[in-house]
Amino acid sequence: AQSVTQLDSHVSVSEGTPVLLRCNYSSSYSPSLFWYVQHPNKGLQLLLKYTSAATLVKGINGFEAEFKKSETSFHLTKPSAHMSDAAEYFCVVTGSNQGGKLIFGQGTELSVKP
Amino acid sequence: KAGVTQTPRYLIKTRGQQVTLSCSPISGHRSVSWYQQTPGQGLQFLFEYFSETQRNKGNFPGRFSGRQFSNSRSEMNVSTLELGDSALYLCASSLFPGQGVYEQYFGPGTRLTVT
Repeated sequence: AQSVTQLDSHVSVSEGTPVLLRCNYSSSYSPSLFWYVQHPNKGLQLLLKYTSAATLVKGINGFEAEFKKSETSFHLTKPSAHMSDAAEYFCVVTGSNQGGKLIFGQGTELSVKP
Repeated sequence: KAGVTQTPRYLIKTRGQQVTLSCSPISGHRSVSWYQQTPGQGLQFLFEYFSETQRNKGNFPGRFSGRQFSNSRSEMNVSTLELGDSALYLCASSLFPGQGVYEQYFGPGTRLTVT
């Protein structure tokens, strides 16, 4: 069965410093992986997705993630945090037998200090 | 192009009542999925519809049901509401269903409070 584990429930960084949000996945199939962001009282916005093409995936707003099969990881990074990045981030997996069903991690809340 | 719309945005109901939530997908999208978001359980998959057929169902009791219309709009219904049904219900649409190939775009959600 497919699952994702987000290793930090809360991450705090200063504006202008790098962001690292960690995600490990488990999948018995070749997975598709995503990162979504949710700002307060808003729906979910897709940041980026991996679907077995390039292992380094670039997304919106300067975010990127690297798929590492040997480590079963899909960590999200950004070189320089902005105040507007403060939100909750979800790592998501779907598998080849799951149809369109998305399996969400528990989320990582990112705080950005001025 | 307009995004996914959900109505109503906020709803307050009493235990034992039933509720219907509506979702209009992005124009041209034919697949609609529903998710429940709570602080304790996080985001959980409810069901997925394509061409008016339920293709996939999550692990929820039969009180939760849904349907999709020929114009791809979808509704979900919760009968005999319980306090634990208080949640943000999110709808997502994609062009087709399909193992992550097609991105899912989420609406703003309906915040249901059961008292």
